[in-house]
Amino acid sequence: AIQLTQSPSSLSASVGDRVTITCRPSQGISSALAWYQQKPGKAPKVLIYDVSILDSGVPSRFSGSGSGTDFTLTISSLQPEDFATYYCQQFNSYPITFGQGTRLEIK
Amino acid sequence: QVQLVESGGGVVQPGGSLRLSCAASGFTFSTYGFHWVRQAPGKGLEWVSFIRYDGFNKYYVDSVKGRFTISRDNSKSTLYLEMSSLRADDTAVYYCAKDSAPWEQGIYYFDYWGQGTLVTVSS
Repeated sequence: AIQLTQSPSSLSASVGDRVTITCRPSQGISSALAWYQQKPGKAPKVLIYDVSILDSGVPSRFSGSGSGTDFTLTISSLQPEDFATYYCQQFNSYPITFGQGTRLEIK
Repeated sequence: QVQLVESGGGVVQPGGSLRLSCAASGFTFSTYGFHWVRQAPGKGLEWVSFIRYDGFNKYYVDSVKGRFTISRDNSKSTLYLEMSSLRADDTAVYYCAKDSAPWEQGIYYFDYWGQGTLVTVSS
């Protein structure tokens, strides 16, 4: 199974900060990478798919990039509603796997 | 609008069985593949299983192979997960999730998720 290593596992930041979360697959996954946001008690919601494509309705302050075994999710200017847990996901091969999550907290 | 509503969760003893359902509406259910994803309390997301739009291809994570069975009834727009030989480490919220593209030609990300149903395995 392809392992996804996310870093950091937690992050404290302030409104207006720029933050970057990294996801490193244990092997190549082409462009089959998505990012999800999950708030407490809620289902995950897709933000970005195919590395860099924003899902419909997702604010443009979110962006994704990367290739090979190094991918990033960037939030350019944190808003109060962005404090949540973020997961990367590879859908290149079964079993589909997720990173362990990055909890983004208010500083 | 797309709606996915899970049901069937509850408390079950170790070794017991449970069947989860996911009722879908707002789109053509029979053209999309579906997944089950679980999340243990306070933990991350774990993909569990996939079923193709027509039910012919199914995949499972190793930890549930031989114990869980995914199925679907396209006439009822409903997805199922039959769970048996349940263990304490199966305790989790179970989500159904929809493939983002119809007529599976590959593997896709998940564009809609249900609200989840909690399964607790405990004596």
